[in-house]
Amino acid sequence: KAGVTQTPRYLIKTRGQQVTLSCSPISGHRSVSWYQQTPGQGLQFLFEYFSETQRNKGNFPGRFSGRQFSNSRSEMNVSTLELGDSALYLCASTYHSGSLNEQFFGPGTRLTVL
Amino acid sequence: AQSVTQLDSHVSVSEGTPVLLRCNYSSSYSPSLFWYVQHPNKGLQLLLKYTSAATLVKGINGFEAEFKKSETSFHLTKPSAHMSDAAEYFCVVSDLNRDDKIIFGKGTRLHILP
Repeated sequence: KAGVTQTPRYLIKTRGQQVTLSCSPISGHRSVSWYQQTPGQGLQFLFEYFSETQRNKGNFPGRFSGRQFSNSRSEMNVSTLELGDSALYLCASTYHSGSLNEQFFGPGTRLTVL
Repeated sequence: AQSVTQLDSHVSVSEGTPVLLRCNYSSSYSPSLFWYVQHPNKGLQLLLKYTSAATLVKGINGFEAEFKKSETSFHLTKPSAHMSDAAEYFCVVSDLNRDDKIIFGKGTRLHILP
């Protein structure tokens, strides 16, 4: 079974631009979560999508948005980029069973904002 | 509300000595608990998980964790550290039968001294 894939792996943008990151979950997983990881703030939850609906949302400004498609693939968009948006963005697909919610992480997209 | 606290942001041990990474959680219900490891420039990898079965959980690479409900702890241990264990470790809590939120601790960076 293929793991979680994220594209692109590395990205360089300038302030004010926008960016779209993509995540393909493990086949059969219907939930995709996004996290931002920075040295100062650690891992912070952005949002979670389940069956094309946003189910949970972290404490990020509206510049951060996402969506999920019918095949469970998800995209995350950041508009009007700021220097502080430079981070590793991790996507995780979740396997839900009666007694376990286990996340499988992708390798991440490293975004650098200049 | 659930939360997770990793008590040490950095831990240094000598190669061949025991490792202890501490984690305390807060949860209103029966939690699922996980430990993840992240090596430099790599994604997150699941080390082990607790899901209300045996309280002593064995994971990969010789790591173990013990669920202690009375102490609300889920500390990660390894009898003998190896240089390859140098990484960041995250304790994670997820509540069953709730809104499926998954909460990450801030991480503990493990340094292995030669």
